Amino acid sequence: EIVLTQSPATLSLSPGERATLSCRASQSVSSYLAWYQQKRGQAPRLLMYGASNRATGIPARFSGSGSGTDFTLTISSLEPEDFAVYYCQQRSDWPLTFGGGTKVEIK
Amino acid sequence: QVQLQESGPGLVKPSQTLSLTCTVSGGSISSGGYYWSWIRQKPGKGLEWIGYIHYSGATYYNPSLESRLTISVDTSKNQFSLKLSSVTAADTALYYCARDGGIAASADYWGQGTLVTVSS
Repeated sequence: EIVLTQSPATLSLSPGERATLSCRASQSVSSYLAWYQQKRGQAPRLLMYGASNRATGIPARFSGSGSGTDFTLTISSLEPEDFAVYYCQQRSDWPLTFGGGTKVEIK
Repeated sequence: QVQLQESGPGLVKPSQTLSLTCTVSGGSISSGGYYWSWIRQKPGKGLEWIGYIHYSGATYYNPSLESRLTISVDTSKNQFSLKLSSVTAADTALYYCARDGGIAASADYWGQGTLVTVSS
């Protein structure tokens, strides 16, 4: 199965700062990568699909890039509601797999 | 707007079968090329894809669970279900159902999740 490694595990930042989250795949997944945001006590929410396409209703401060094995989720300027855990998921092969998550916490 | 709601027992005894149902509203489970997924999250841990089903009955399972897993669909009730047999404490988790666009797409609508504890 394809293993996704997310880094860092925790990102401590202040509101207004830029967040850069990484997801690395153990083999190429082309652009078949999605990102999800999970706030405490809530279900995950789709942020990005196809590596760089924002899901419906997702603010423009979220952007995704990458292809092959290396992907990045960028939040250009953190809002208070962005502090959460972020997961990547590869959509290239079964079983679908998730990364271990990056927690973005308030510094 | 599509909504999904999980239901089922919150407590299951070891060695028994965990059974959950996901009811879909705001759209037909038979429409489009969607797959209907189960994902779980063990306490304090990350997400694990369990498997999904198309309304036609086609299924894709996580090999780590496949020997114990059955996912089925009831189009007349707009529901799909999960059965996981021979459960142990390691199956204690928050179980989510979700709508999924298929292998190259994404899971765009999720239920709120239901906690299942395996304990005697």
